[in-house]
Amino acid sequence: QQQVKQSPQSLIVQKGGISIINCAYENTAFDYFPWYQQFPGKGPALLIAIRPDVSEKKEGRFTISFNKSAKQFSLHIMDSQPGDSATYFCAAKGNDKIIFGKGTRLHILP
Amino acid sequence: EAQVTQNPRYLITVTGKKLTVTCSQNMNHEYMSWYRQDPGLGLRQIYYSMNVEVTDKGDVPEGYKVSRKEKRNFPLILESPSPNQTSLYFCASSPRPANTEAFFGQGTRLTVV
Repeated sequence: QQQVKQSPQSLIVQKGGISIINCAYENTAFDYFPWYQQFPGKGPALLIAIRPDVSEKKEGRFTISFNKSAKQFSLHIMDSQPGDSATYFCAAKGNDKIIFGKGTRLHILP
Repeated sequence: EAQVTQNPRYLITVTGKKLTVTCSQNMNHEYMSWYRQDPGLGLRQIYYSMNVEVTDKGDVPEGYKVSRKEKRNFPLILESPSPNQTSLYFCASSPRPANTEAFFGQGTRLTVV
């Protein structure tokens, strides 16, 4: 019940394409869903986050789509760039607990 | 500059030799936590602290200890390290309520031989 399942484990996208990473959760007590971006040798950093009262949040090329009834959320990166190559973690937070997905290693081909 | 500082960044040690990884934050955050990151397993929480003198086990606490004597510091202690504790460790902090952004340190790569 505490798991956050993330897919795919790795993803290769051509420059200019759309990168899509999916996550699913089980615990309905979660009320905050952040995505973190991690570059090699660095700690994860918050990229974008959403609360369950909205279905979509967009910040520049990054969009979170949230489906509360299906308990799923996804990250879309539009016009993907080589600089977006990183590991992405979804997470779910609630009741002072945060659970991370296992991460997606994204590689954007130049 | 708001930051979470971990030391050391890299550490190689031998089995059984006690070690401490320090973590300090300058944002006056109440909530701090430790994670380990392993390939294919993502980030797993070791311990967390809601405030000074309040600590709780995360998902993988075995073999680790923590203390929170001051708000800004949250050291991770390995009393008797073993090779299966070889990992990349991250400290993080966030303000309360906990459903807000977590700030991560740069990480500590620990190798136990």
